Amino acid sequence: DAKTTQPNSMESNEEEPVHLPCNHSTISGTDYIHWYRQLPSQGPEYVIHGLTSNVNNRMASLAIAEDRKSSTLILHRATLRDAAVYYCILLNSGGSNYKLTFGKGTLLTVNP
Amino acid sequence: NAGVMQNPRHLVRRRGQEARLRCSPMKGHSHVYWYRQLPEEGLKFMVYLQKENIIDESGMPKERFSAEFPKEGPSILRIQQVVRGDSAAYFCASSYTGQGYGYTFGSGTRLTVV
Repeated sequence: DAKTTQPNSMESNEEEPVHLPCNHSTISGTDYIHWYRQLPSQGPEYVIHGLTSNVNNRMASLAIAEDRKSSTLILHRATLRDAAVYYCILLNSGGSNYKLTFGKGTLLTVNP
Repeated sequence: NAGVMQNPRHLVRRRGQEARLRCSPMKGHSHVYWYRQLPEEGLKFMVYLQKENIIDESGMPKERFSAEFPKEGPSILRIQQVVRGDSAAYFCASSYTGQGYGYTFGSGTRLTVV
């Protein structure tokens, strides 16, 4: 399975944008890039996913590099409720594509 | 529209007892997945079920663990003769299509074995 690499932790200030990076240099052409987050004492929560083009939804934006070897999750205005562990996960479009492989993720701290 | 409901939220069992964890998927979702999060570790896939069928149990320990998703009622993760190493948070997720996106997770059951 293709692996992802994320910083262990990042810090942000409230109401400022946050850019969470993810490297996936061994990504295959049929791997989708998924982001989940896990708030303290909660289950993971789906954030966004994409294949090649940048994606936007009400929670965040996903910027995907042209060579697809990296991507960035963008929170446009961080709030205290965004403090969580963020996971970047590759999921192939074929085979056992239901199985999420969670790494250590990035612990985001948001300062008031 | 209620989300994925897991109960109990916290469960304490003595070594050797049985633990039963329940998961009611979102309305309209027929695909259920169980994940385990050991202390200070990431979530690990355990099992994928559809109604009355186990699709993939490759992440389940070979002994003492079983899962079911009956035609009626919640999905059950059962751990027999629990040991201290079973202490973890167990999360259930459900989806509509089983295609690997749009999962909804429950808040988990935190099992403590004493």
